[in-house]
Amino acid sequence: GQQLNQSPQSMFIQEGEDVSMNCTSSSIFNTWLWYKQDPGEGPVLLIALYKAGELTSNGRLTAQFGITRKDSFLNISASIPSDVGIYFCAGRPTSGSRLTFGEGTQLTVNP
Amino acid sequence: KAGVTQTPRYLIKTRGQQVTLSCSPISGHRSVSWYQQTPGQGLQFLFEYFSETQRNKGNFPGRFSGRQFSNSRSEMNVSTLELGDSALYLCASSQGGMNTEAFFGQGTRLTVV
Repeated sequence: GQQLNQSPQSMFIQEGEDVSMNCTSSSIFNTWLWYKQDPGEGPVLLIALYKAGELTSNGRLTAQFGITRKDSFLNISASIPSDVGIYFCAGRPTSGSRLTFGEGTQLTVNP
Repeated sequence: KAGVTQTPRYLIKTRGQQVTLSCSPISGHRSVSWYQQTPGQGLQFLFEYFSETQRNKGNFPGRFSGRQFSNSRSEMNVSTLELGDSALYLCASSQGGMNTEAFFGQGTRLTVV
């Protein structure tokens, strides 16, 4: 089945720094989704990507759909304490509707 | 538009009991997927229902089952509960097409004692 490798597993940064995380797949995907999850809550959708090469922003967040269709990147600029949480990527293959999730990136922001 | 609603939020059950969790998707969404989340295991896919039919199934034992009603609301049932079933159970709602977003509920925290 599909495998998603998300990295890094965790990040410890200072407030104001920029953050980058990425996901790579062994298969071609036609959809990439990025989520943020706070403790004890469900993941919240941040950005959705549907076309290879697509670059989409949501405030301080920017995500890109890799041109090979096997990877995606999420960048957070000028991090603030409320950015703390777990960030998940999710991809949907070219055949099928089932989403595959990465293992998550735990982000800690020190004020 | 109301979001995805999961009930109950918290549940404590005893080993051997069974439990039923409920998920009401966003109005107009026909697909509901269920996930189990435990520390260190990420989001594990249980199953997906679309228009009252199970469309995808993960690698969980038969003790885990689900169904979807004509109004798209979905339930999942776990029978003969084990301690290892303690987890956050999440459902995700989508329109069900290939290029659609999925939105999660707040989850049901199940503790088996």
